[in-house]
Amino acid sequence: GENVEQHPSTLSVQEGDSAVIKCTYSDSASNYFPWYKQELGKRPQLIIDIRSNVGEKKDQRIAVTLNKTAKHFSLHITETQPEDSAVYFCAARSSASKIIFGSGTRLSIRP
Amino acid sequence: DAGVIQSPRHEVTEMGQEVTLRCKPISGHDYLFWYRQTMMRGLELLIYFNNNVPIDDSGMPEDRFSAKMPNASFSTLKIQPSEPRDSAVYFCASSFGSRDNEQFFGPGTRLTVL
Repeated sequence: GENVEQHPSTLSVQEGDSAVIKCTYSDSASNYFPWYKQELGKRPQLIIDIRSNVGEKKDQRIAVTLNKTAKHFSLHITETQPEDSAVYFCAARSSASKIIFGSGTRLSIRP
Repeated sequence: DAGVIQSPRHEVTEMGQEVTLRCKPISGHDYLFWYRQTMMRGLELLIYFNNNVPIDDSGMPEDRFSAKMPNASFSTLKIQPSEPRDSAVYFCASSFGSRDNEQFFGPGTRLTVL
């Protein structure tokens, strides 16, 4: 069935360093890939998304890359700050039009 | 706009009771989604509506779960009878114009079934 795998499940980086979260998807027809950030006790919020007609998208310190051949996409956060600490979810919209979420990555920024 | 509104924010009930969760999407949004979040299963899409019509309910776990959207400004998710394994945070989200446009999540309802 349709599946999105996300790694790592937890990630701890030094403030100022970069963080990378990787996801793979199973449905080759998937064409929309959003990333959500969820702070503790709060709702998920979209931080960036990418469609399959582009390979990379950047928004300030956040970038997402997509490799359709390999069926994987990644989130890159540069110059990490304490407020980046949260759980990050990748997702993919399958050919059946469902948004399937990854299992989440808990990112901690060490001061 | 107040954003997506959900009620109640917290619900504690006993096994076997009926539970009704409510959602008011952002005005003008034509897509509405119900999600369930647990530590074990993460974030799962249960069902989504377009223009008040259910489009995909394949994520609804079993017949004890039902969802309705009688009009553009209101939706309910009902669990009858509830079971302890239904304990989770239930999110409602809405978007405008496309499934692929940003989904705005409500604050969630934390359900505890004893």
